Amino acid sequence: QVQLVQSGAEVKKPGASVKVSCKASGYTFTSNYMHWVRQAPGQGFEWMGVIHPSGGGSRYAQKFQGRVSMTRDMSMSTVYMEMSSLRSEDTATYYCARHHFPNNDDFNVFDVWGQGTMVTVSA
Amino acid sequence: DIQMTQSPSSLSASPGDRVTITCRASQSISSYLNWYQQKPGKAPKLLIFAASNLQSGVPSRFTGSGSGTEFTLTINSLQPEDFATYYCQQSYDTPPTFGQGTKVGIK
Repeated sequence: QVQLVQSGAEVKKPGASVKVSCKASGYTFTSNYMHWVRQAPGQGFEWMGVIHPSGGGSRYAQKFQGRVSMTRDMSMSTVYMEMSSLRSEDTATYYCARHHFPNNDDFNVFDVWGQGTMVTVSA
Repeated sequence: DIQMTQSPSSLSASPGDRVTITCRASQSISSYLNWYQQKPGKAPKLLIFAASNLQSGVPSRFTGSGSGTEFTLTINSLQPEDFATYYCQQSYDTPPTFGQGTKVGIK
């Protein structure tokens, strides 16, 4: 079945960087764009950006421009989200989520989600 | 960014009840509205996309309707496994944005 498996929880100090992985299985990895969405404790969802696993191109929310990088390894069917200059407000659960429509980056519908990776930023 | 507002923020209901959740957009989003269910400690699950299209595998007691700026999610005959938080999300424009959630609790 289609599955996204993320890397484990991280604890980081302010100013550090974190890299979260998301391994896809059960479908053609290069067919669907992959998004990253975060959820602060007890809060709603915030879209961070999207990567095209085939071409590697990415687009980020304005809020995260310059601080986030999304990459992929096609041989491992894995996408990565790296965030730098972490601050306490970045404490959240980070999710990868598959774009519902193959070979299309319109109409952002997220049909399969990873289990989430908790990132805690604390001195 | 398009703002999404859900109401109510929480409600209490009994198994077998019919529940309706409303989502309003700050501008017209045509039918580009999706609904998700999230249980504590779990990832969200897509229920409905494009306002009224049931995602594969989702029970038919979940229905969505609306267009423009006002949308509803209805759960007919609430089941014990339906107690969760529900979020709407617009896919009309980038960045996609979410409502703040509606928690459906047990009465």
